[in-house]
Amino acid sequence: GENVEQHPSTLSVQEGDSAVIKCTYSDSASNYFPWYKQELGKGPQLIIDIRSNVGEKKDQRIAVTLNKTAKHFSLHITETQPEDSAVYFCAAPQGGKLIFGQGTELSVKP
Amino acid sequence: DAGVIQSPRHEVTEMGQEVTLRCKPISGHDYLFWYRQTMMRGLELLIYFNNNVPIDDSGMPEDRFSAKMPNASFSTLKIQPSEPRDSAVYFCASSFGYHEQFFGPGTRLTVL
Repeated sequence: GENVEQHPSTLSVQEGDSAVIKCTYSDSASNYFPWYKQELGKGPQLIIDIRSNVGEKKDQRIAVTLNKTAKHFSLHITETQPEDSAVYFCAAPQGGKLIFGQGTELSVKP
Repeated sequence: DAGVIQSPRHEVTEMGQEVTLRCKPISGHDYLFWYRQTMMRGLELLIYFNNNVPIDDSGMPEDRFSAKMPNASFSTLKIQPSEPRDSAVYFCASSFGYHEQFFGPGTRLTVL
């Protein structure tokens, strides 16, 4: 089955800096890679996703890159702001479900 | 749409009691997922349904846990009897196709 590893588990950056979170997956047949953001006391919310037919996707200050050969994908947040502070999860599909990484707690210090 | 609705938002119960968590998915979605989140184990998938039919319950911890989806607009997750180690936040999520899942606000369960 699919195995998703996410690093780092915690990340602290200064406001305005960039943040990068990386995930690796094991199933070479996986073709969909979402990223979720979970704020305190709330459920995870999808912020961006990428399919295996593209290498990069951007949405304002966030971007996701995919390297299918190496089986890893990354979330990039530029010009970080305090409201970016949250836990971020990557995921990869296995059958009809998603396997989530362990999460990265991002702290943006003003 | 109001999004995925879960009730109750908080539940405190004593060991041995029955607990029922409820979920109303987004209208038109054909997949429904139940997750459990703890600090130790992260976000775990317990069970998911497609068109009201349970597809994969391999994540259900043990026979004390059961889930039903009697129709497209309602699902329950039941724990009987509850134990302190069941304390966690339980999320329901729904999607059209399994890709873009929309999560509810969660139910925080505390078993004393």
